[in-house]
Amino acid sequence: GNSVTQMEGPVTLSEEAFLTINCTYTATGYPSLFWYVQYPGEGLQLLLKATKADDKGSNKGFEATYRKETTSFHLEKGSVQVSDSAVYFCALFYGNYGQNFVFGPGTRLSVLP
Amino acid sequence: DSGVTQTPKHLITATGQRVTLRCSPRSGDLSVYWYQQSLDQGLQFLIQYYNGEERAKGNILERFSAQQFPDLHSELNLSSLELGDSALYFCASSAGTSPTDTQYFGPGTRLTVL
Repeated sequence: GNSVTQMEGPVTLSEEAFLTINCTYTATGYPSLFWYVQYPGEGLQLLLKATKADDKGSNKGFEATYRKETTSFHLEKGSVQVSDSAVYFCALFYGNYGQNFVFGPGTRLSVLP
Repeated sequence: DSGVTQTPKHLITATGQRVTLRCSPRSGDLSVYWYQQSLDQGLQFLIQYYNGEERAKGNILERFSAQQFPDLHSELNLSSLELGDSALYFCASSAGTSPTDTQYFGPGTRLTVL
């Protein structure tokens, strides 16, 4: 079945450090891929998405490229800020119906000043 | 603020009881989605409604049901509650029918079953 694997957290970085959160997926065919962010005490927010191979999603300095050959969608940011501290979820959607919306377990990021 | 509202914010109840969670989507959005977030199961999609009709079903238990009303607000009904139903329940809305459309999430309802 479809699944998403994310690197275990928590990840702790100093401000201005480079961030990578790994995400790999298993799916039949060509799913759409997403990164969501959840700030403390809030609901999820879509951070970026990519709907086909080699697409790059980007938003707020974050980027992720849909790599079909490695079934990956790693999240990167060149210089993190304290305000980026949150939980990040990688997710995939496959097919026309929502039962194929699958989330990874989430990676908690803490950025220290 | 996403524009999606959920009530109540917190709910504490006992095993065997029934509760109703309410969601009002963003103005103009026709789709409503329900998700459950728990420590052991993570984030799971439950169900989607579009303009009053069920559009997709995920990992929703038979004890749970939902509906979307003509004014587009939605309710999630949880019955015969068990300890394991304790979780954060999120509602999200989007303009169209596809789950790949940008979904806007509400702040959630935290359900505690004692």
